[in-house]
Order: sequence, then C-alpha cells, then structure tokens
Amino acid sequence: GAVVSQHPSRVICKSGTSVKIECRSLDFQATTMFWYRQFPKQSLMLMATSNEGSKATYEQGVEKDKFLINHASLTLSTLTVTSAHPEDSSFYICSASNPPGGNQPQHFGDGTRLSIL
Amino acid sequence: GENVEQHPSTLSVQEGDSAVIKCTYSDSASNYFPWYKQELGKGPQLIIDIRSNVGEKKDQRIAVTLNKTAKHFSLHITETQPEDSAVYFCAASRGGYQKVTFGTGTKLQVIP
Repeated sequence: GAVVSQHPSRVICKSGTSVKIECRSLDFQATTMFWYRQFPKQSLMLMATSNEGSKATYEQGVEKDKFLINHASLTLSTLTVTSAHPEDSSFYICSASNPPGGNQPQHFGDGTRLSIL
Repeated sequence: GENVEQHPSTLSVQEGDSAVIKCTYSDSASNYFPWYKQELGKGPQLIIDIRSNVGEKKDQRIAVTLNKTAKHFSLHITETQPEDSAVYFCAASRGGYQKVTFGTGTKLQVIP
C-alpha cells in the first residue's frame, strides 16, 4: 500500500489564490521530504528539500517566497503556492524515505494536479 | 550537479518482446540508482533499484545492470505485457537523504 499520501489530488482555482498541498508519511517518520514539479510529458524537477524543524533547501531558480514549505512534524510537510498564476499550473509531487537514513528508496505520493485559471 | 540522460524517449514493442532503456550519469559520487514507473496522473512507483556495489539485479521480469566505470545503467523488461505500458524514469542519487536526479523518461508502449 501507499507509504506517502498527498492531498489534495487536484486543485482548480482562480489566479491570485494561495494553494496548500499536504504530504504525509504513513506509519513512518520522515525527517526529510522532497518536493518535485512535473510539466506535461517532462521529467520530475526537484524544487526543494523539506527538513523537519528547519528551513527548506531550495533548488536554484525556485522562488522560496513563492513556494513556501513547512515541515512542522515528522510525518507532514506542506507546500504552499502563494498568489498562484497560470504559469504555476503543474503536477506537484512529494517524496519521502522509509526509514530515514542510509540507502533507502524514496517513495512518492500520487501528486497534486494544480490548475490556475 | 548530477546530470542523468535517458534513451530512448519512446519505445514500442510487441507483447512478449523485451524492452531495454538506457541511462548515463555524470556524478561519480552517485551510488544509488532507482527506476520508477509512472502511470498517467500518478506519482512514480519504484520498481527496482541497484546500488553501486552491485553490477546486476533481477526481480522476476525486470533486471537492471550497472557499469560504474562507464557510468551507464540499464533497465531490461522481458516478456512484456500491455500493463507494462507507462513512462519509466531512471534516477541517480548519492543515497540516504540525498536528492534524486531523474532522467528524462521513456514512454513504453506494449502492443497487444
């Protein structure tokens, strides 16, 4: 069964709205989670690394004030797309390792399809 | 940073035939190489992985090979079935908490 749960699966909203996406690790603690963005027919691009209890690490070119990440507990990381615009429309996916540490594979959520009108 | 190249971008095979997807990576420090299958509208699902201390790994119809010297790794699917149709991504990582860099993806179509 799924080890990483992502919610919501789909969001359609107006331009200027802020949207929050949740990523939960099920039955395990994840001190590190990752957020990816995927455009149609393209690969996954890492946006940021979410660290429990500390600031997220953003990849080059990703606006930290635009994509707010909060990792307040060992099982939950949230990505907030602030003042979303049509160009922010994409498929957002999170991942986490189970258990943390060592060479363990990352498990991915089923993604959130964000559509900004 | 790491750069992962993947070929081919699309692959069509007849049901029962084999499919091979090849990847190269640039970071010699990468030591973990997972393969993911992504179906439409879903997140990637890990199907097999290989670590740098192993040259080959097999799981039923799926096998992966790794050539550290050449920085090549490949996915082999034998006796393909229509349900194998999906987009496949190779990836490379330094392991543990380290970020995963994905290849560009291969859309596999298995024709019944």
